[in-house]
Amino acid sequence: DVKVTQSSRYLVKRTGEKVFLECVQDMDHENMFWYRQDPGLGLRLIYFSYDVKMKEKGDIPEGYSVSREKKERFSLILESASTNQTSMYLCASTGQGAGEKLFFGSGTQLSVL
Amino acid sequence: GEDVEQSLFLSVREGDSSVINCTYTDSSSTYLYWYKQEPGAGLQLLTYIFSNMDMKQDQRLTVLLNKKDKHLSLRIADTQTGDSAIYFCAESLSGNTPLVFGKGTRLSVIA
Repeated sequence: DVKVTQSSRYLVKRTGEKVFLECVQDMDHENMFWYRQDPGLGLRLIYFSYDVKMKEKGDIPEGYSVSREKKERFSLILESASTNQTSMYLCASTGQGAGEKLFFGSGTQLSVL
Repeated sequence: GEDVEQSLFLSVREGDSSVINCTYTDSSSTYLYWYKQEPGAGLQLLTYIFSNMDMKQDQRLTVLLNKKDKHLSLRIADTQTGDSAIYFCAESLSGNTPLVFGKGTRLSVIA
């Protein structure tokens, strides 16, 4: 059974803390994505990666960075968490090629106090 | 630019058909998708349609694509309480381009 695993289901952090959100996929997918989901705003793409050590900015990269040292792992980093980064974070992965399905993790609900 | 629009809410009675609509702006879309998100979970692919098709049926699900009007719909026959979820429409412009998602339609099924 294919899987995208996000390390934490719920996370509570304080303003100014450095936060790491981890995502691992077991499907040997090249492409990995980080989204945030907020009520009324849908899914917004933060960063994505098409290969190891590669990264591309999405629509809302400000305040975030990413790391892809291994193919199966894509980490989202909040260098200095702020309250407006309280959100549901979703990781996804897909293979290359047209029509490839996007597989999502269960999400991490991050609260920044 | 790319934009995918959906209505935010839909309420139907159990046993009725649900129709969720979506419009997109980019005529070069190659694939169009419907994803389902149940409470507290990530998104799961429900079905998809290639841009050269008009219709695709999969058990209780029927997808209709009108390329001229850039309109996509998802019909769920005999809607059940388990169908209550948020449904996202998404378009793909090419094989390696991130999907563009709509804001999602929250379907509520009334018993």
